[in-house]
Amino acid sequence: AQTVTQSQPEMSVQEAETVTLSCTYDTSENNYYLFWYKQPPSRQMILVIRQEAYKQQNATENRFSVNFQKAAKSFSLKISDSQLGDTAMYFCAFMKLYNTDKLIFGTGTRLQVFP
Amino acid sequence: ETGVTQSPTHLIKTRGQQVTLRCSSQSGHNTVSWYQQALGQGPQFIFQYYREEENGRGNFPPRFSGLQFPNYSSELNVNALELDDSALYLCASSFPGTSGGASTDTQYFGPGTRLTVL
Repeated sequence: AQTVTQSQPEMSVQEAETVTLSCTYDTSENNYYLFWYKQPPSRQMILVIRQEAYKQQNATENRFSVNFQKAAKSFSLKISDSQLGDTAMYFCAFMKLYNTDKLIFGTGTRLQVFP
Repeated sequence: ETGVTQSPTHLIKTRGQQVTLRCSSQSGHNTVSWYQQALGQGPQFIFQYYREEENGRGNFPPRFSGLQFPNYSSELNVNALELDDSALYLCASSFPGTSGGASTDTQYFGPGTRLTVL
């Protein structure tokens, strides 16, 4: 069975600084997706970034980038130039490729961005 | 905004009652997944519907059931409500594929329904 672990329950960062959120996972699968979702106080789960395990290149989306280490089963999220609107819960999630019945989520990291 | 809508926004029920939650999928998506998110936790997979058939189920009892309609909207039904069913219920829509395209398989979430069981 797959598991996702987020070991940082809470993080804080000053506006305009950079912060990295950690995620590790356990799987015997070779083909899968990894995701970071953001859940602000409004509750809606918003996709931040997606990484396909078969791609060696780390995914980037504007100020968000990942450091995907397949052998180490590590998938961290880097947020550059942090903004107040980045304040939210961040969830790391795993999905098997071609058997996309479910996302497996970690317990989340609460990120607070201070002015 | 993802284009996934859910109703109602909030719901209060008493133990033993039944509840129906609704979800409209994003245009072009034929798959709907339901998740339960307890306070302070990550979402837990309940089940998924693909082309009106159940396509996978998590560790939830049979009193959690669902439907998907020809327009790909979906319902989650919970019978004999228990206090522990109090949670945020999220639905997500997706379009499964084998092409590996940028948006295939990614699940896009609705705003959720907050269910309180008293």
